[in-house]
Amino acid sequence: ETGVTQSPTHLIKTRGQQVTLRCSSQSGHNTVSWYQQALGQGPQFIFQYYREEENGRGNFPPRFSGLQFPNYSSELNVNALELDDSALYLCASSLVGRGRNNSPLHFGNGTRLTVT
Amino acid sequence: EDKVVQSPLSLVVHEGDTVTLNCSYEVTNFRSLLWYKQEKKAPTFLFMLTSSGIEKKSGRLSSILDKKELSSILNITATQTGDSAIYLCAVVGEYGNKLVFGAGTILRVKS
Repeated sequence: ETGVTQSPTHLIKTRGQQVTLRCSSQSGHNTVSWYQQALGQGPQFIFQYYREEENGRGNFPPRFSGLQFPNYSSELNVNALELDDSALYLCASSLVGRGRNNSPLHFGNGTRLTVT
Repeated sequence: EDKVVQSPLSLVVHEGDTVTLNCSYEVTNFRSLLWYKQEKKAPTFLFMLTSSGIEKKSGRLSSILDKKELSSILNITATQTGDSAIYLCAVVGEYGNKLVFGAGTILRVKS
């Protein structure tokens, strides 16, 4: 069973640039969620994708967008980067099924984004 | 707005000690509470507690959910240096599609 994998592991960007982060979900999982973890804080929910559609969004501006592909992998795109976007971006997958409780989220190792 | 508060913020103990980490929450239509351990990057899943499963145990770790007090504790007995990590508590509420995390408790176990 392969776990959640994310790429790249580290990234340095300049303010105003755009970035794309990638995630492959754990095998057998059909839902992908993205979280932002600033230093010294718990992860904050960005959004979730289920069946290639956004299924809930946290308090993040529209310049944060995403995609889920038919193989359940996902991308997080951030436009017009700001200094405060510097954080660890975590991808997590889970299995959502009809008539059953959601499985716990399983996280990848994250992408460390630094905006200068 | 859903909210999770963890205490203490940080803790230093010696190997062999027992520790208790606390988590209190406010959430609309509670579904579950989860504990994660974060050592370097990926939070790793420890326990999920629900109304039908309010107590979980795995080795030296155990957790209890108190739905009346809207809180949970995570106990670690006979601590080891490998237990040093950030312990995160999260709840799932009304929408079922997101975790609301606390800021975490930083545990350091000294040899």
